[in-house]
Amino acid sequence: EAGVAQSPRYKIIEKRQSVAFWCNPISGHATLYWYQQILGQGPKLLIQFQNNGVVDDSQLPKDRFSAERLKGVDSTLKIQPAKLEDSAVYLCASSLLIQGAEAFFGQGTRLTVV
Amino acid sequence: GQQLNQSPQSMFIQEGEDVSMNCTSSSIFNTWLWYKQDPGEGPVLLIALYKAGELTSNGRLTAQFGITRKDSFLNISASIPSDVGIYFCAGQSILRYSTLTFGKGTMLLVSP
Repeated sequence: EAGVAQSPRYKIIEKRQSVAFWCNPISGHATLYWYQQILGQGPKLLIQFQNNGVVDDSQLPKDRFSAERLKGVDSTLKIQPAKLEDSAVYLCASSLLIQGAEAFFGQGTRLTVV
Repeated sequence: GQQLNQSPQSMFIQEGEDVSMNCTSSSIFNTWLWYKQDPGEGPVLLIALYKAGELTSNGRLTAQFGITRKDSFLNISASIPSDVGIYFCAGQSILRYSTLTFGKGTMLLVSP
């Protein structure tokens, strides 16, 4: 079974530029998560989808971050415009069930904003 | 919001030693998960716990779901160099759409 796929693996942009990340979850997984992991810290949830609906985006900086999950499968996370403090690893994860299931992570996208 | 306190922050041990780390929460969780993260990779699931008091093993790893549902611990027996990495606990509550909240991690270094 294929795992969670993310692209790109690395991205370097200048501040105020825009960037987008893509995630393809494990086939059949209803729940998709986007996490931000700053160096030396644990992952912090940005947004959680169940199928194609948002169930938690309370920690998403909505003035600059946006995310969508088309047809309840793939998802994109966008930052516009980027700030220096957005430098982090962006992790996508998915889980099979809507409640109470293990989440499996992709390799992440390392973003550096200069 | 929910907070997870994970300790210790880091450990440096000799190969063959046993290791213990734990996680405590300010609120109740329905599920506890333990992950390992290697440099440049995403977290990999090690053990999942679903019931208070549950004790689960995965090879040399053993984890327990605390009776109060506010804590969990992970033990690694007879550590080997490939155990090196960062270990994260994560709690999941059905009251919050199964959102996973992570601890800050325990960095484990193993000397051969």
